[in-house]
Amino acid sequence: AQSVTQLDSQVPVFEEAPVELRCNYSSSVSVYLFWYVQYPNQGLQLLLKYLSGSTLVKGINGFEAEFNKSQTSFHLRKPSVHISDTAEYFCAVSESPNDYKLSFGAGTTVTVRA
Amino acid sequence: DTAVSQTPKYLVTQMGNDKSIKCEQNLGHDTMYWYKQDSKKFLKIMFSYNNKELIINETVPNRFSPKSPDKAHLNLHINSLELGDSAVYFCASSPGTGLNTEAFFGQGTRLTVV
Repeated sequence: AQSVTQLDSQVPVFEEAPVELRCNYSSSVSVYLFWYVQYPNQGLQLLLKYLSGSTLVKGINGFEAEFNKSQTSFHLRKPSVHISDTAEYFCAVSESPNDYKLSFGAGTTVTVRA
Repeated sequence: DTAVSQTPKYLVTQMGNDKSIKCEQNLGHDTMYWYKQDSKKFLKIMFSYNNKELIINETVPNRFSPKSPDKAHLNLHINSLELGDSAVYFCASSPGTGLNTEAFFGQGTRLTVV
């Protein structure tokens, strides 16, 4: 069974600074990896996903993530954050390409300050 | 227009009661899901329906029963509520079952059992 660890529960960051959110997973088989964002009072929204191919994945709103199989990581980055990036970010993994049987991490709360 | 809507957003109820959470999607998707976010904020899948047919049924107490009257709705009924059922429940939908499609999530329903 797969599991996901998000190493930081809270990340405060200043506007226009870079941010990295760390995600590690454990699985004995091939994995498919996701980052979701939840803005206040909204549902989860897909930022990006890795299914196959290039290990560097670009998503919406200037986010990108890199799949590192040897380190079992899928860290999320943004070079310059905005106030509007304040949200909760969830990393998720699936072991099957055929269904959304996702296991999520506990989330990282990003607070962007001016 | 909200793509995936859940009602109610908040639900406080006493132990032993029976309650339902409703989910509707207006995206024309074939597949719908229920996820549970526990007190440690881990989201795990409970059920998935594709074209009104149950395709994922994780190890969930029998007190939980999903019902899909049509493709646009997947309601969650919970009988004999227990304190441990307190959680945030998320509904989601996707065009198909594969990960090459995108799953859209609702805002969540916070259930508190007292």
